[in-house]
Amino acid sequence: GQNIDQPTEMTATEGAIVQINCTYQTSGFNGLFWYQQHAGEAPTFLSYNVLDGLEEKGRFSSFLSRSKGYSYLLLKELQMKDSASYLCAVMDSNYQLIWGAGTKLIIKP
Amino acid sequence: DAMVIQNPRYQVTQFGKPVTLSCSQTLNHNVMYWYQQKSSQAPKLLFHYYDKDFNNEADTPDNFQSRRPNTSFCFLDIRSPGLGDAAMYLCATGTGTENSPLHFGNGTRLTVT
Repeated sequence: GQNIDQPTEMTATEGAIVQINCTYQTSGFNGLFWYQQHAGEAPTFLSYNVLDGLEEKGRFSSFLSRSKGYSYLLLKELQMKDSASYLCAVMDSNYQLIWGAGTKLIIKP
Repeated sequence: DAMVIQNPRYQVTQFGKPVTLSCSQTLNHNVMYWYQQKSSQAPKLLFHYYDKDFNNEADTPDNFQSRRPNTSFCFLDIRSPGLGDAAMYLCATGTGTENSPLHFGNGTRLTVT
């Protein structure tokens, strides 16, 4: 079966750095997406990785290792507005998105 | 701005009373998706359209139906809502190709009384 695993909840301090991990087992691989979702709102796109390595986009970076079935999202200089759920999703060989349940990130002052 | 719009933002319906949720897009994307999302869970794909081709997920109840009259609009019909159908319903669009993220509407939160 297809499976995406990520921690249920993480806590971090304003101004710090946090890394949210995602491991996956899917039928084929056509890329991995990270989305941010604030409570009661729709997911918004953060990043896409299809090749191994690190993609940096401002305070957010995403890493992929296809051989390990592993990705992480790195958030630097945390702000209170970063409190949200972060969803990892993999596009399988049929171009369908397989979603993780999301990691709820709590930022404390 | 090109976008995905869902109406209404909040919908209350009675147990067993049919309800229709709507979605429109100005992105001209081929694919439109309907997801159901319950609290602290992953979005669950109900069905999607690739152009006019309808694709139903195997575990989507018959109670849920969809229509896509044209490229821009897609509707989710819940024929007889039960209490378990209370959720956020998300419409998304995409090109159906790799490296193309889904674009989501703001969602419709459905309450069943």
